[in-house]
Amino acid sequence: NAGVTQTPKFRVLKTGQSMTLLCAQDMNHEYMYWYRQDPGMGLRLIHYSVGEGTTAKGEVPDGYNVSRLKKQNFLLGLESAAPSQTSVYFCASSRLRTGIETQYFGPGTRLLVL
Amino acid sequence: DAKTTQPPSMDCAEGRAANLPCNHSTISGNEYVYWYRQIHSQGPQYIIHGLKNNETNEMASLIITEDRKSSTLILPHATLRDTAVYYCIVRVEDSSYKLIFGSGTRLLVRP
Repeated sequence: NAGVTQTPKFRVLKTGQSMTLLCAQDMNHEYMYWYRQDPGMGLRLIHYSVGEGTTAKGEVPDGYNVSRLKKQNFLLGLESAAPSQTSVYFCASSRLRTGIETQYFGPGTRLLVL
Repeated sequence: DAKTTQPPSMDCAEGRAANLPCNHSTISGNEYVYWYRQIHSQGPQYIIHGLKNNETNEMASLIITEDRKSSTLILPHATLRDTAVYYCIVRVEDSSYKLIFGSGTRLLVRP
């Protein structure tokens, strides 16, 4: 099992450009999440999905859109990148188990917006 | 908002036990306490979780006070590879199973 993989690993964008970050998991997990982590801070939840075809907003959703067309993939889109979106983005997935939550994280995507 | 409070940094000597405290005074009766760690910019890694009883696995032990308002993560024989940021998390009690990360404790294991 590859677990959770993220593409790309690193990207530089100019202000106003768009891009899509891809997260893929091969563990047949129902739940998937996108977080961002700014320097010296903990992770903040952007969007999440509780199943194929469903998405919901997290703590910091503004400026991002997501899609979960296939169970194994969760896409994070930036329509018009801003310097404030410079961050490390982590994807995670978890299995549906009542009361117990273990999230598996990908290696991260480092995004620099100039 | 994070529902936990942790010291910003700690250190311990290699080979000694590392005891990381966490306060979660507003925890609800059916909320679990989770510990994750993040080693230098990698994705966070699950360590252990518990509800009421003390728990132990191959990585660590989790001690939860009887009133459940605080807990301690114990790494019994810390190694240099245990240097990381440790997050104590109380899961948000809704159907999303969201984890709210705070700032964590930066643990430095000294040679």
